[in-house]
Amino acid sequence: GAGVSQSPSNKVTEKGKDVELRCDPISGHTALYWYRQSLGQGLEFLIYFQGNSAPDKSGLPSDRFSAERTGGSVSTLTIQRTQQEDSAVYLCASSLARSGEETQYFGPGTRLLVL
Amino acid sequence: QKEVEQNSGPLSVPEGAIASLNCTYSDRGSQSFFWYRQYSGKSPELIMSIYSNGDKEDGRFTAQLNKASQYVSLLIRDSQPSDSATYLCAGGVYGNNRLAFGKGNQVVVIP
Repeated sequence: GAGVSQSPSNKVTEKGKDVELRCDPISGHTALYWYRQSLGQGLEFLIYFQGNSAPDKSGLPSDRFSAERTGGSVSTLTIQRTQQEDSAVYLCASSLARSGEETQYFGPGTRLLVL
Repeated sequence: QKEVEQNSGPLSVPEGAIASLNCTYSDRGSQSFFWYRQYSGKSPELIMSIYSNGDKEDGRFTAQLNKASQYVSLLIRDSQPSDSATYLCAGGVYGNNRLAFGKGNQVVVIP
């Protein structure tokens, strides 16, 4: 079946603008995760969804970042008033989130550049 | 202390040799561990998962887990140039479905 998809693949925006990043998880995966990866760095956890609720938002770096998930499927990560330090690759992953099935499958990422 | 640590710098190995990567974790409640491979400019892809103490082999890859010492390792036998990538170690966070990732180790296989 289809893997995790993300759009857009690349986004260039001006400082101060808002951006929306979309993630479409693997069908049937109840858990969805957002990560950020800056150049040469590891994965920084942002937020985790179980169904439509977000039990763990601890990684969101500021109140300019928000995310929602509707219908237990597609998720949108919104960054308001973007700053240059927001430039990074934003990765989405999904999993079955059952005991012993925690493997996360990643999408191709959205490369965000804030000028 | 970071949840998952990978402290080694870039690893260069000649083609055909064994590449050895190590990872330590701080959460004694972690039950599941994963190794992901990430090529430059690409997203991480799963190589191995391991849940029990001991070794788990899959082709040229062997994952080792020692819960008493809280470390996980990955061996790549008969290293190939196509194995050149960054390898990310991840551990499940107890009571939470998210994974904690290490910063990764870059492996360069020299032909």
